[in-house]
Amino acid sequence: DIQMTQSPSSLSASVGDRVTITCRASQNISSYLNWYQQKPGKAPKLLIYAASSLQSGAPSRFSGSGSGTDFTLTISSLQPEDFATYYCQQSYTTLETFGPGTKVDIK
Amino acid sequence: EVQLLESGGGLVQPGGSLRLSCAASGFTFSSYVMTWVRQAPGKGLEWVSGISGSSRSTYYADSVKGRFTISRDNPKNTLYLQMNSLRAEDTAVYYCAKKVPKGGHYNVFDIWGQGTMVTVSS
Repeated sequence: DIQMTQSPSSLSASVGDRVTITCRASQNISSYLNWYQQKPGKAPKLLIYAASSLQSGAPSRFSGSGSGTDFTLTISSLQPEDFATYYCQQSYTTLETFGPGTKVDIK
Repeated sequence: EVQLLESGGGLVQPGGSLRLSCAASGFTFSSYVMTWVRQAPGKGLEWVSGISGSSRSTYYADSVKGRFTISRDNPKNTLYLQMNSLRAEDTAVYYCAKKVPKGGHYNVFDIWGQGTMVTVSS
């Protein structure tokens, strides 16, 4: 199975900050990488697919990059509604494993 | 409106069984792969199982293989997860999710239910 790791596991940031989260796959997954946002008590919500494509309805301050094994999610200017946990997910194989998550909270 | 609604969660003793249901509406259910994802309290997301639109193919995480069975009833627009030999580590919120191929081949989970809680405890 493909293992996914994320760093950092948590971070504190202020409104307006630029935030970068990294995700690494245990093997080459090309661009088969998705990012989800989850708020407490809610289901996850798709933000980015195919490593860098913005899901319809997701704010343009979110962007993704990378290919192969190393990926990043960037929030260009953190907004109050962005405080949440972010998960990467590989869709290279049928067993679509998630990363452990990165919690973004208020500094 | 596209919607998924899980039900069937609850408290069950170790070794017991439970069947979860996920009622779908607002889309052609039989056309899509459906999946189950779970989240233990305070933990991350874990993909559990998936099933093709025709039910011809099913997939399981190693952690549940041999104990859980995914199925679907397309005329009833309902997805199921039969969970047997339950363990304390199966305690989690269970989400059903619709899988769709973006750009033809980049699979994503675009619609999620609200989740149903399963607690395995004596």
